[in-house]
Amino acid sequence: DADVTQTPRNRITKTGKRIMLECSQTKGHDRMYWYRQDPGLGLRLIYYSFDVKDINKGEISDGYSVSRQAQAKFSLSLESAIPNQTALYFCATSVGGSWSYNEQFFGPGTRLTVL
Amino acid sequence: DQQVKQNSPSLSVQEGRISILNCDYTNSMFDYFLWYKKYPAEGPTFLISISSIKDKNEDGRFTVFLNKSAKHLSLHIVPSQPGDSAVYFCAASRKFNDMRFGAGTRLTVKP
Repeated sequence: DADVTQTPRNRITKTGKRIMLECSQTKGHDRMYWYRQDPGLGLRLIYYSFDVKDINKGEISDGYSVSRQAQAKFSLSLESAIPNQTALYFCATSVGGSWSYNEQFFGPGTRLTVL
Repeated sequence: DQQVKQNSPSLSVQEGRISILNCDYTNSMFDYFLWYKKYPAEGPTFLISISSIKDKNEDGRFTVFLNKSAKHLSLHIVPSQPGDSAVYFCAASRKFNDMRFGAGTRLTVKP
């Protein structure tokens, strides 16, 4: 079984709709992250969480919100989806400590299309 | 502004030969660098990393070289195998700050 799972794997929605992407992990890691991947831009960090009570904005948080429901669950919400949020979204986890130095484990991704 | 750049979107090499993937960065505060590999329909997976106190790190067929004065790192794969065909992302970070990724290079290894 995959250590980091994301649901749904694919989603098509319309402008203005609220969307939630979910991430679950069985690795027991404290740290969780949400990234988006766009062609030509690589992966960009949206939000990250060091533990259940800690949420931090990343490089591109505008238009997104997150919820860390438990150590194992981290969800990403688009309050009112817009077409330029069409992208591939990845959840990742890592062990605690000096976090930038820790290998991150990625989920399989969610392909989101906003029409 | 892209602080980590992979200027070659694609690279094609023959099986058994060396693959060299390049990455440049602009922020001299970065002190830890990583390479990730990504297959279609999968998330990126960690491949190899290097700290700024080193100039080389080797793991089997994979070697990463770091040239701090040029703000450049490269990933060497020797010998290249068809299973190495994937998109390779370079990433850089500084202590307690977020990781920045390059746009990726698609490597194709031809049998």
